[in-house]
Amino acid sequence: DVKVTQSSRYLVKRTGEKVFLECVQDMDHENMFWYRQDPGLGLRLIYFSYDVKMKEKGDIPEGYSVSREKKERFSLILESASTNQTSMYLCASSPPDRNYGYTFGSGTRLTVV
Amino acid sequence: QKEVEQNSGPLSVPEGAIASLNCTYSDRGSQSFFWYRQYSGKSPELIMFIYSNGDKEDGRFTAQLNKASQYVSLLIRDSQPSDSATYLCAVRIGGQNFVFGPGTRLSVLP
Repeated sequence: DVKVTQSSRYLVKRTGEKVFLECVQDMDHENMFWYRQDPGLGLRLIYFSYDVKMKEKGDIPEGYSVSREKKERFSLILESASTNQTSMYLCASSPPDRNYGYTFGSGTRLTVV
Repeated sequence: QKEVEQNSGPLSVPEGAIASLNCTYSDRGSQSFFWYRQYSGKSPELIMFIYSNGDKEDGRFTAQLNKASQYVSLLIRDSQPSDSATYLCAVRIGGQNFVFGPGTRLSVLP
């Protein structure tokens, strides 16, 4: 079965901490994505990557960075966590075929206090 | 700004009825359209996609696409309480990037 695994289901961090969210997929997908989901705002794209060592900004990249050193792993980094980054973070992957949608990970609910 | 709109709901239907979920999009050049189901506290899961005008059926689910009207819908026949979830419409805008709608919350009443 196709799988996207996010390292933590729940995370609580303090303001100013550097936070790493890890995502690993076992489907050999080229494309990987990070979204955040907030009530009333829906899913918003933070960063995406179409290949190893490649990254592109999404709609809301401010305060975030990413790393993709290996095809199967895409990491989201909060450089200095702030309370407005409290959210559900969803990782997704997909193959290049346009008729495939995303496979999402189970999500990480991050609370910044 | 490319937009995807959905009624937020909740849409309430009795068990066994047909649930009709609607989605409109702003980018006339959009090619592929996807429906995801998201249970409360869970991540979205892909139900089906459509890219040609007309209907596409998969079990109890039917996706309908009308590119001239920039409208895509999802019909759920014989609705079950287990279908109660939020349904997200997603439109591919280029490459493998999508714009997601805000979702419609469906409640199927026993």
